[in-house]
Amino acid sequence: EDQVTQSPEALRLQEGESSSLNCSYTVSGLRGLFWYRQDPGKGPEFLFTLYSAGEEKEKERLKATLTKKESFLHITAPKPEDSATYLCAVRRDNDYKLSFGAGTTVTVRA
Amino acid sequence: DTGVSQNPRHKITKRGQNVTFRCDPISEHNRLYWYRQTLGQGPEFLTYFQNEAQLEKSRLLSDRFSAERPKGSFSTLEIQRTEQGDSAMYLCASSLQGEHEETQYFGPGTRLLVL
Repeated sequence: EDQVTQSPEALRLQEGESSSLNCSYTVSGLRGLFWYRQDPGKGPEFLFTLYSAGEEKEKERLKATLTKKESFLHITAPKPEDSATYLCAVRRDNDYKLSFGAGTTVTVRA
Repeated sequence: DTGVSQNPRHKITKRGQNVTFRCDPISEHNRLYWYRQTLGQGPEFLTYFQNEAQLEKSRLLSDRFSAERPKGSFSTLEIQRTEQGDSAMYLCASSLQGEHEETQYFGPGTRLLVL
């Protein structure tokens, strides 16, 4: 069974204080690893897809990286509007459903 | 296109009542998914449609749950004889078969509270 573990559960940052979120996974035949952002009371919003070890993707202050066992989401110089829960999910080969971790809730104080 | 839409956004019901939720996917997307999310957890897969065919159902989907996608467009999720444990956010997502990344785009969810 696929396992996705995210750490830490919660992260409180000062505005401008860079940090990283971790997503470790166990899956047979990784098709893709996905990062989503979720604001309270809303559905997840797609951020990135990573397919192979060594791949990196960036969007504004966010950068996602992938190794064979884990993915990191780096937040550089965060702003209060980056406050959200960040979800990691995996999809295996020949399957369509996503298996999610429990998320990391990031709070950025001004 | 305005994305995936779900109705209602909130539903409060009494234990034992039946409820039905609707999902309208992004117009050209032929794949549609239902997930359930409880507080502090990530979404959990419930079921998946390709066009009008329901291709997979999770063990989480008890016989009180039924989902349909009659014409391969919108989908409905019905819960019969609701229980307090059914209280959760029900999320719908859609994707386009054959698109390289086949990203799943989520709707805003329907929050269910069973009293």
